[in-house]
Amino acid sequence: GQNIDQPTEMTATEGAIVQINCTYQTSGFNGLFWYQQHAGEAPTFLSYNVLDGLEEKGRFSSFLSRSKGYSYLLLKELQMKDSASYLCAVLSGGGGNKLTFGTGTQLKVEL
Amino acid sequence: DAGVTQSPTHLIKTRGQQVTLRCSPKSGHDTVSWYQQALGQGPQFIFQYYEEEERQRGNFPDRFSGHQFPNYSSELNVNALLLGDSALYLCASRGKSVSYEQYFGPGTRLTVT
Repeated sequence: GQNIDQPTEMTATEGAIVQINCTYQTSGFNGLFWYQQHAGEAPTFLSYNVLDGLEEKGRFSSFLSRSKGYSYLLLKELQMKDSASYLCAVLSGGGGNKLTFGTGTQLKVEL
Repeated sequence: DAGVTQSPTHLIKTRGQQVTLRCSPKSGHDTVSWYQQALGQGPQFIFQYYEEEERQRGNFPDRFSGHQFPNYSSELNVNALLLGDSALYLCASRGKSVSYEQYFGPGTRLTVT
């Protein structure tokens, strides 16, 4: 089966850096996604890692270690609009069929 | 370039009724997945359609069924609705990109009373 763990809530200050961790246990790993979801809206794509290492995209970076079943999302220069739920999701199955999501980390950015 | 669209936006049904939700994938995409997201939870995979066939299914009962049409649009049907079926239903599409990135629609909020 699949098991994905991430913290339920985090709070950070505007302008700071925050790291959201995700650990997973899965079979047939085809990659790991991070999505951002504002309340009442659809998830929007942030990053995709399939190989070990760091992927950087503007203020957002994502890291993957397949041997440790571990990933993190790093958000720099936090803005109030970054307050949202951040979802870690593992892609598995033949042909990359199925995304299994964690419960999401609710990030609150304060002044 | 139209993204993923879903209809209706909101829906209220009574226990025991049946419901059909609709999804049109992003232009150029041929694979559609459906997810159920309960309040405060991450989305849960229901099933995926490709070439008009169900390719993979999550842990959902047979009350949940679907269909994909030749134009790649898709429907999700839920029979004998239960209170616990109240959730946001998300449709996601992807094309043949190596990245497997899925694009989500705005969702349909289903309330069962």
